[in-house]
Amino acid sequence: QVHLVESGGGVVQPGGSLRLSCAASGFAFSSYGMHWVRQAPGKGLEWVTSIEYDGSNTYYADSVKGRFSISRDDSKNTVYVDVNSLRPEDTAVYYCANEKHSSGRYVGYFDFWGQGTLVTVSS
Amino acid sequence: QSVLTQPPSASGTPGQRVTISCSGSNSNIGSNSVNWYQQLPGTAPKLLIHTNNQRPSGVPDRFSGSKSATSASLAISGLQSEDEADYYCAAWDGSLHNWVFGGGTKLTVL
Repeated sequence: QVHLVESGGGVVQPGGSLRLSCAASGFAFSSYGMHWVRQAPGKGLEWVTSIEYDGSNTYYADSVKGRFSISRDDSKNTVYVDVNSLRPEDTAVYYCANEKHSSGRYVGYFDFWGQGTLVTVSS
Repeated sequence: QSVLTQPPSASGTPGQRVTISCSGSNSNIGSNSVNWYQQLPGTAPKLLIHTNNQRPSGVPDRFSGSKSATSASLAISGLQSEDEADYYCAAWDGSLHNWVFGGGTKLTVL
């Protein structure tokens, strides 16, 4: 059974930093690209960042480029996102999701999602 | 302002059929597959439809998806109270090099 468990959220002052983690189990982690999607309170979903199944490339939304950094540790089946220079508009629940890579291509959808971790940026 | 456009709300009575539209452009829906996610109140999103019209295992066949040119639709037939949720469409945008989502449609079962 697939499980994605996010952690690391909390209350942080503007300009502060956090490391969000997503621990994965129940699937071949090293064969999956991983994504982070956030949802501000009462708002819709916004893709934030992605990392390739082999860690070779990373991608960022313009709104977080230069401030967020995604990484993965396949030995721990965990993906991380370091969130820096936080702004009030970064306040959101942050979800991680997986996407299978097979036969040289990605399947093109986020298969499973974690339950999310809440980041609140406030002074 | 979301890249993909959905109606903010939809409603229907039990047993009815409802559809939710998702409008995009050539760089997203027009050239890539559309996925739909269901978010029940207070929970994480869940994959509902992928690759325009494919249902993951466990999703009832009451849910169906379609795509034409730069628009897509989600149809729910035999509406049930447990279908009350937010529904989001999503696609890869080749011009933005981003995943893009619709703003979400809140479905109310009357």
